[in-house]
Amino acid sequence: KAGVTQTPRYLIKTRGQQVTLSCSPISGHRSVSWYQQTPGQGLQFLFEYFSETQRNKGNFPGRFSGRQFSNSRSEMNVSTLELGDSALYLCASSLVNEATQYFGPGTRLTVL
Amino acid sequence: AQTVTQSQPEMSVQEAETVTLSCTYDTSESDYYLFWYKQPPSRQMILVIRQEAYKQQNATENRFSVNFQKAAKSFSLKISDSQLGDAAMYFCAYNDLGDEKLTFGTGTRLTIIP
Repeated sequence: KAGVTQTPRYLIKTRGQQVTLSCSPISGHRSVSWYQQTPGQGLQFLFEYFSETQRNKGNFPGRFSGRQFSNSRSEMNVSTLELGDSALYLCASSLVNEATQYFGPGTRLTVL
Repeated sequence: AQTVTQSQPEMSVQEAETVTLSCTYDTSESDYYLFWYKQPPSRQMILVIRQEAYKQQNATENRFSVNFQKAAKSFSLKISDSQLGDAAMYFCAYNDLGDEKLTFGTGTRLTIIP
C-alpha cells in the first residue's frame, strides 16, 4: 500500500505570495492532519480534516487554511507569506477512530 | 493543555549497545496514547512504537521497547543492539483519546558511534 504523498517536495516563494501544498493520504485513511516544523518552534499542529470538515485547528493565524476533498486528499494554503512561514510542512493520515498517524515526506517551504 | 518534555537534546551510543531516551508528559486525562517517532536526515517521520495508556504492559517492537510509568507520567524508549540506521531525531508524542492532534516533544538527536 502506498504511503502518504506530498507535493511539491520543495518550494521557494517570496514574501507576500501565497502557496498551496497538497497531501494524498494512505488509501482508506479519511483523516488528514497538518503540522509545521521549524527549528525554533518544533512540531506544531495546524489542523485536521475528516470527511471534508475541519475538526480541529491549532493556534495559527487565519492566513493558514486548508480543505479536504471527497477522495480524502487535502490541501493547505498559506496566504501573504512571511519569512517566518519558512518551514517543513508535514501531512499525516490515519484511519477513522485510530490514533496512529502516518506521515508523508513533507514539503520544504522557503520564503525569501 | 498537554505538554511533552524531552530533557535530552542529544544522546550518543556505541553500535550494538543499548540506549534509553527519556520523555515526560503532563495531562489531566486518563485515556490517551503515547508514541515515539523517528526522523532521520531524510526528514520522513517514521512511527517507532505506540502505547495505549489503559494498557499496563509495555509495548515492544523488535529492538525497541518502552517503559511506561503512568503515575509518574513518564514514557522512555529503549533501543537495544543499536545500529547505524538508528541515527535520527527521536520525538515523543501525546494524543488524547478521540483527538487527532499530536503534541510533540522537542526531540532527542541520537548519534550512533561505529
